[in-house]
Amino acid sequence: QKEVEQDPGPLSVPEGAIVSLNCTYSNSAFQYFMWYRQYSRKGPELLMYTYSSGNKEDGRFTAQVDKSSKYISLFIRDSQPSDSATYLCAMSAPYDNFNKFYFGSGTKLNVKP
Amino acid sequence: ETGVTQTPRHLVMGMTNKKSLKCEQHLGHNAMYWYKQSAKKPLELMFVYNFKEQTENNSVPSRFSPECPNSSHLFLHLHTLQPEDSALYLCASSQDGVSNQPQHFGDGTRLSIL
Repeated sequence: QKEVEQDPGPLSVPEGAIVSLNCTYSNSAFQYFMWYRQYSRKGPELLMYTYSSGNKEDGRFTAQVDKSSKYISLFIRDSQPSDSATYLCAMSAPYDNFNKFYFGSGTKLNVKP
Repeated sequence: ETGVTQTPRHLVMGMTNKKSLKCEQHLGHNAMYWYKQSAKKPLELMFVYNFKEQTENNSVPSRFSPECPNSSHLFLHLHTLQPEDSALYLCASSQDGVSNQPQHFGDGTRLSIL
């Protein structure tokens, strides 16, 4: 079983839609959760960083963590064509060796004008 | 220059060549990482340096050799690579190697092995 599972997509939505991206994980020790956005031919760019359970909002983006279900989500409101990218989730456990992050394989999102 | 810079952006090499990838971070971080990214697979951690000391070698073949002369610079020396080594190689940095602070990535080197 993979540490982190993420649907690869592609996910295609019309401009203005609400997008929901999700990851599940198996290690209950994970406490730190991140979402990265990766455009084609670019490196991953940090979007959201959260600790433990709950929600965090930043503009059109909301990150949600449900530790009881081992499930994290990224919501994008009023999606734009410029949001078309691959979204990677990542997570880590406290006191783990050398700050190791566990990544999902990424979900490709296409927002159509 | 800001963030994490990687050079070259693209590299094509034969299986018998020797080349090096370079990474430089301008964030004042103390930990640096090499990752391999292949299509439809999670990022694979290769090496970790924390305060210039190598703290992890994630079972990487010896044809990949890292070097970290200081906290701002990281190299990946390549020799006698195999076709399956073709991938995007990403460098990242974080505040340190223990506090779970997020990692910041460069744009990678796209490596193609002929």
